[in-house]
Amino acid sequence: EDKVVQSPLSLVVHEGDTVTLNCSYEVTNFRSLLWYKQEKKAPTFLFMLTSSGIEKKSGRLSSILDKKELFSILNITATQTGDSAIYLCAVGGTSYGKLTFGQGTILTVHP
Amino acid sequence: GAGVSQTPSNKVTEKGKYVELRCDPISGHTALYWYRQSLGQGPEFLIYFQGTGAADDSGLPNDRFFAVRPEGSVSTLKIQRTERGDSAVYLCASSLISTQVGLAGDYNEQFFGPGTRLTVL
Repeated sequence: EDKVVQSPLSLVVHEGDTVTLNCSYEVTNFRSLLWYKQEKKAPTFLFMLTSSGIEKKSGRLSSILDKKELFSILNITATQTGDSAIYLCAVGGTSYGKLTFGQGTILTVHP
Repeated sequence: GAGVSQTPSNKVTEKGKYVELRCDPISGHTALYWYRQSLGQGPEFLIYFQGTGAADDSGLPNDRFFAVRPEGSVSTLKIQRTERGDSAVYLCASSLISTQVGLAGDYNEQFFGPGTRLTVL
């Protein structure tokens, strides 16, 4: 059974801090790893990673995948209060349509 | 439409009742997915449609749960004889899917709707 574990489960920081969120996985026939941000209800897409060692970057957010060690990290630099959310990691495997999600990391950024 | 829409946004029902939850995917997206999210957990896969057919329904918890997508666009998730344990946020997502394995993007990101919060009393 596919499995995704995220750490930490929650994190409290102050504006301007840099945070690193972790995602480790076990999946049959790995296809991709995706990061989502969930503020209220709808998770919003951040990144999709399919190849090891290639960093994806969008503004202050970046992510990288290590397919040998089976993990990914999501970095957020110069955090802002608007970054407060649940960050979800998901992996896609044998079944095209099925994403297996981790429990999420709750990030709280204080002013 | 601009994004995935779901109705109703909230549904309160009594134990034993039947409910239907509706999902309108992004126009042109051939794939549609249903997930269930309980408090403090990540979304849990229920079922995936490619066109009109259910390509993978391995996540449906039991035979009280059923989903249809008769015309390959709108989908309805149906729950019979609801139980208190069915209370959760039901999320729908849609995506494009390439059928050409091996190309970059043969697995496309899923775009989520706002969900339906189901409460079974």
